[in-house]
Amino acid sequence: AQSVTQLGSHVSVSEGALVLLRCNYSSSVPPYLFWYVQYPNQGLQLLLKYTSAATLVKGINGFEAEFKKSETSFHLTKPSAHMSDAAEYFCAVSDGRFQKLVFGTGTRLLVSP
Amino acid sequence: DAGVIQSPRHEVTEMGQEVTLRCKPISGHDYLFWYRQTMMRGLELLIYFNNNVPIDDSGMPEDRFSAKMPNASFSTLKIQPSEPRDSAVYFCASTGQGPNYGYTFGSGTRLTVV
Repeated sequence: AQSVTQLGSHVSVSEGALVLLRCNYSSSVPPYLFWYVQYPNQGLQLLLKYTSAATLVKGINGFEAEFKKSETSFHLTKPSAHMSDAAEYFCAVSDGRFQKLVFGTGTRLLVSP
Repeated sequence: DAGVIQSPRHEVTEMGQEVTLRCKPISGHDYLFWYRQTMMRGLELLIYFNNNVPIDDSGMPEDRFSAKMPNASFSTLKIQPSEPRDSAVYFCASTGQGPNYGYTFGSGTRLTVV
């Protein structure tokens, strides 16, 4: 069975600081990996996805993630946080075959001025 | 494309009443998913369909919950009878395959059962 673990339910950064949200996955087959963002009272929006092409994936809003098989990780980063990045972020994994995504528990990003 | 459309956005109902949530997926997507989100349990997959056929309903909490997809452009999630512990935000999502793989979520239905 596949799973993802998101380290830290809350991450606080200052505006302009580096954002690093951690995700580790478990999968018996080469995984497809995703990051989603959820703003208050909204649905989840796809930030980026890894589907076995380039290991460094660039997404929307300046976010990127790197697939590291040796570390079973897919951490999300952004060089400089903006107030508008405050939201909840979800990592998710799929084996691709059955199209079912398994989500992590989420990390709430807080950005202070 | 208007995205995944869910209705209603908010639903308040009394315990014991029937509740029906609706979803219109993105045209051309052949997978549709129903999720429930609560503070306690996070995002839970309830059921998903492929080409209108239910594939996995192991996440449906109990027999009070049922879901249908009569055609490629419409799905319903029904709770009968509803209970206060069903209060949550229910999301519908759809996806295609290959390069188009990646869930698109609706805005959700916030259900409150009093």
